[in-house]
Amino acid sequence: DAKTTQPNSMESNEEEPVHLPCNHSTISGTDYIHWYRQLPSQGPEYVIHGLTSNVNNRMASLAIAEDRKSSTLILHRATLRDAAVYYCIQPYGQNFVFGPGTRLSVLP
Amino acid sequence: DAGVIQSPRHEVTEMGQEVTLRCKPISGHDYLFWYRQTMMRGLELLIYFNNNVPIDDSGMPEDRFSAKMPNASFSTLKIQPSEPRDSAVYFCASSRTGMGSSYNSPLHFGNGTRLTVT
Repeated sequence: DAKTTQPNSMESNEEEPVHLPCNHSTISGTDYIHWYRQLPSQGPEYVIHGLTSNVNNRMASLAIAEDRKSSTLILHRATLRDAAVYYCIQPYGQNFVFGPGTRLSVLP
Repeated sequence: DAGVIQSPRHEVTEMGQEVTLRCKPISGHDYLFWYRQTMMRGLELLIYFNNNVPIDDSGMPEDRFSAKMPNASFSTLKIQPSEPRDSAVYFCASSRTGMGSSYNSPLHFGNGTRLTVT
């Protein structure tokens, strides 16, 4: 099973950066790392994904370790709307195995 | 783009009744996935389709569950007969590409159907 390890929960203050870590020590050389988040009462939504180098998009940045065994999702300025469960995922065959994720709380 | 559309949003039924959940994927997406989410087991993949053909149904819990995709714009997940342990949120998702290691197309999820079986 392709499992990733994330902290159960994290807290951040509004308008401060947030760094969400993930360990994926079993990742293969060609697997992408994907991040999704799930807001309350909604389906998961795509955040970002990457293979080796750091990635940026309008939602977040993804920093991938050189050995690819870990990565960090960076929200540059957390807002109240960013409170959600964040999932770090590596593919398992044709499947995405969602772990319990990290529940991010954003304090005003 | 209306996104993935699921119906109904909520379904309450009695044990033993048949339940049908519906999904309209995003136009042009060749892959469709059905997931189930519970507090105990999190998000689990039940089945997925490629070009309307079921590819992997190993996550379907038992024979009471069946899924169909008669065309590119519609899929159903049916539970017959339903049981209280089927209570969960069921999500449909679609994607342009599959989830393999060369994947570079995001999964788009619907807002789910919350099923309660009493």
